[in-house]
Amino acid sequence: DAKTTQPTSMDCAEGRAANLPCNHSTISGNEYVYWYRQIHSQGPQYIIHGLKNNETNEMASLIITEDRKSSTLILPHATLRDTAVYYCIVRVPRGFQKLVFGTGTRLLVSP
Amino acid sequence: ETGVTQTPRHLVMGMTNKKSLKCEQHLGHNAMYWYKQSAKKPLELMFVYSLEERVENNSVPSRFSPECPNSSHLFLHLHTLQPEDSALYLCASSHEASGRYNEQFFGPGTRLTVL
Repeated sequence: DAKTTQPTSMDCAEGRAANLPCNHSTISGNEYVYWYRQIHSQGPQYIIHGLKNNETNEMASLIITEDRKSSTLILPHATLRDTAVYYCIVRVPRGFQKLVFGTGTRLLVSP
Repeated sequence: ETGVTQTPRHLVMGMTNKKSLKCEQHLGHNAMYWYKQSAKKPLELMFVYSLEERVENNSVPSRFSPECPNSSHLFLHLHTLQPEDSALYLCASSHEASGRYNEQFFGPGTRLTVL
């Protein structure tokens, strides 16, 4: 599985957009980019995934660069409840999925 | 609510005790997972069950014994644990099928403390 690099921590003001970057320069053609988050003392929560096109759902948007070597998760209007650790994972969605979580980005949303 | 429940939510046990963690998924998934999350460490995959057969065991000590009686239930039996086994134990499930994206849905976890 391709390795990912994320900043250790980020801050965001409540109501503003939170843009969380992820570098995956060794990504291969059949690997998808997945994002999960983990709110303190809870299990991880799936957010969004994509292959090469930008994706949007009710939680977030995912922007993947044309060369697919990096991506950005966008929370358009961050709330205090979005404070969590965000994980970027790159892998092929085969059979069963062995997720390898790195250290992620700790996002702190402040009033 | 993710459709994956875990009981108990908190557990304190002595090193000589035997206890079991339970996970149940209500999503119709056919793969289930146990993860361990120690303080300030990334999640570590412990076991994977696909179609009720164990398909992965990540060099987990034998004091942890998983059981998957059916596609909706997963247990983790614990015996003679060590204090360093104290962690958050997370269960997850996914639907294993070609053409699907296999996102995993996690339960809330069991916070285990071994005294």
